[in-house]
Amino acid sequence: KAGVTQTPRYLIKTRGQQVTLSCSPISGHRSVSWYQQTPGQGLQFLFEYFSETQRNKGNFPGRFSGRQFSNSRSEMNVSTLELGDSALYLCASRRLGTYEQYFGPGTRLTVT
Amino acid sequence: KNEVEQSPQNLTAQEGEFITINCSYSVGISALHWLQQHPGGGIVSLFMLSSGKKKHGRLIATINIQEKHSSLHITASHPRDSAVYICAVTWNSGGSNYKLTFGKGTLLTVNP
Repeated sequence: KAGVTQTPRYLIKTRGQQVTLSCSPISGHRSVSWYQQTPGQGLQFLFEYFSETQRNKGNFPGRFSGRQFSNSRSEMNVSTLELGDSALYLCASRRLGTYEQYFGPGTRLTVT
Repeated sequence: KNEVEQSPQNLTAQEGEFITINCSYSVGISALHWLQQHPGGGIVSLFMLSSGKKKHGRLIATINIQEKHSSLHITASHPRDSAVYICAVTWNSGGSNYKLTFGKGTLLTVNP
């Protein structure tokens, strides 16, 4: 069974640009959560989607948004990038009704 | 504020030593997760537990719900165990809250 995949794995953007990251969950997993990892703040929850609806949102500005498609694949978008958005962005999928989450390899975003 | 505390932050051991990493949390949880992250790598879920004890190979995880405390033990440590170990919880806040709140992680270095 294939694991969670994320694309791209690495990305370099400049301030003010926007970026879209993609996550494909494990087959059969309908929930996708996104997390940001930085050296200063550690791992923080961004949002969770299932059934194409955002179910929970962390404490991040509106520049961070996401969506989920009918096949459970999810994208997150960051608009008007700031230097502080440089981070490892991880997505995790889970089967509905269970707590265990399976993480993807992450997308490392560098904002210059 | 719901918090997850891990100790120690850094741990250096000699190959073969018994390792213990601790995690405490502030309020009731639905599940506690132990995660492993190698440098530059993604996150792997080691254990998810809500009570008792789990064992996988040389790794053992225990949880005491009354004391709001969990430990991760590594027996006969090996240099390949060198990684960051992260404790994360799903709070028992009812509804559909499955988001993870993370500790700051423990950097383990096992020397040969």
